[in-house]
Amino acid sequence: AQKVTQAQTEISVVEKEDVTLDCVYETRDTTYYLFWYKQPPSGELVFLIRRNSFDEQNEISGRYSWNFQKSTSSFNFTITASQVVDSAVYFCALSRREGNQFYFGTGTSLTVIP
Amino acid sequence: GAGVSQSPSNKVTEKGKDVELRCDPISGHTALYWYRQSLGQGLEFLIYFQGNSAPDKSGLPSDRFSAERTGGSVSTLTIQRTQQEDSAVYLCASTPGGTLLYEQYFGPGTRLTVT
Repeated sequence: AQKVTQAQTEISVVEKEDVTLDCVYETRDTTYYLFWYKQPPSGELVFLIRRNSFDEQNEISGRYSWNFQKSTSSFNFTITASQVVDSAVYFCALSRREGNQFYFGTGTSLTVIP
Repeated sequence: GAGVSQSPSNKVTEKGKDVELRCDPISGHTALYWYRQSLGQGLEFLIYFQGNSAPDKSGLPSDRFSAERTGGSVSTLTIQRTQQEDSAVYLCASTPGGTLLYEQYFGPGTRLTVT
């Protein structure tokens, strides 16, 4: 069975602080994909990143970085120098190879205080 | 270009009535997904359409839920004899398929309230 756990329900940080959002997943598949999505207050989910299970290289995109560790089944997301515009609910998700089903965590609500 | 659109944006219905929710995916996208998002919860997969293949209905919570996708484009999610626990935001997503199969583009959702 597939499962994604985001233990942090809500996080508040002061602007310019770094923040890490945790994501732990469960799967018996050897091929799978991991994702992060952002859901701002306006409501629409926005795709941020996709990683496949064979690529454990960390990725950096501007102030965003992702740390994928198969040994701990984790795919954590770090925002450096947070900004108010980063305030949103962030979802981690897992997809099987076929792409027919996605499993989402319950989300982490991030509030960046100016 | 136009994104995924959903209608209506809000729907209030009485318990026991049937409702239809519509999703217009991005033109040319081959895959379409329906999800349900309850308050404070993650997204719950409902159904998946890919091209002309038989849909993956494994996420539908009961036989009161059904979905169609006509002509490989517009999709309709139907909930019969609605119950209060059906109250949620229903999200639709589409993907280009091929090597971009996994990159979902989400619509704004339909907020369903069953009274």
